[in-house]
Amino acid sequence: DAGVIQSPRHEVTEMGQEVTLRCKPISGHNSLFWYRQTMMRGLELLIYFNNNVPIDDSGMPEDRFSAKMPNASFSTLKIQPSEPRDSAVYFCASSAFRARAVATEAFFGQGTRLTVV
Amino acid sequence: AQSVTQLDSQVPVFEEAPVELRCNYSSSVSVYLFWYVQYPNQGLQLLLKYLSGSTLVKGINGFEAEFNKSQTSFHLRKPSVHISDTAEYFCAVSRMNRDDKIIFGKGTRLHILP
Repeated sequence: DAGVIQSPRHEVTEMGQEVTLRCKPISGHNSLFWYRQTMMRGLELLIYFNNNVPIDDSGMPEDRFSAKMPNASFSTLKIQPSEPRDSAVYFCASSAFRARAVATEAFFGQGTRLTVV
Repeated sequence: AQSVTQLDSQVPVFEEAPVELRCNYSSSVSVYLFWYVQYPNQGLQLLLKYLSGSTLVKGINGFEAEFNKSQTSFHLRKPSVHISDTAEYFCAVSRMNRDDKIIFGKGTRLHILP
């Protein structure tokens, strides 16, 4: 398996533009996570899907951020409009959650480094 | 809600010396515990995890961690570090039998000194 695949790896955009980050989870995994990593705040969980349904979006910073998972093999994180303070590395991760079973770890993609100028 | 505290943001250690990276957690329910490593410009990868049973867990690259329920700790140790261990280390927690949302600590950067 190729692991979790994120695209693009790097994105530079101007303030006010729309940015879309993409993620393909590991085949067979039913949970997907979007994290944001910054020096100041560390690794923050933005949103978490289980079986394509958003379970917890309490970490989404504001309405400018939205995430979708139209099917089990694809998810997007969109920022519209983007601002310089959104600059960070965004990670997607997936896991194979089984209810009332042993813990399953999350497998991470390589991340998308976003720079908003 | 669960939370993770990594008290040390950076730890310098001489090569071949032992190291301990500290992690404390808080949760109202039983938890699973993880340590992840992040090498420069890469994603996170799992070092080890505690699910149940023996409180001493062995992971990859010679690392081990000990779960201490009374102290709500899960410290990571290695008896002799190598320059290749230079990375950032993250402790993480998820709630047992609830969901697999994983919450991470802020990370500890391990500097190996020659």
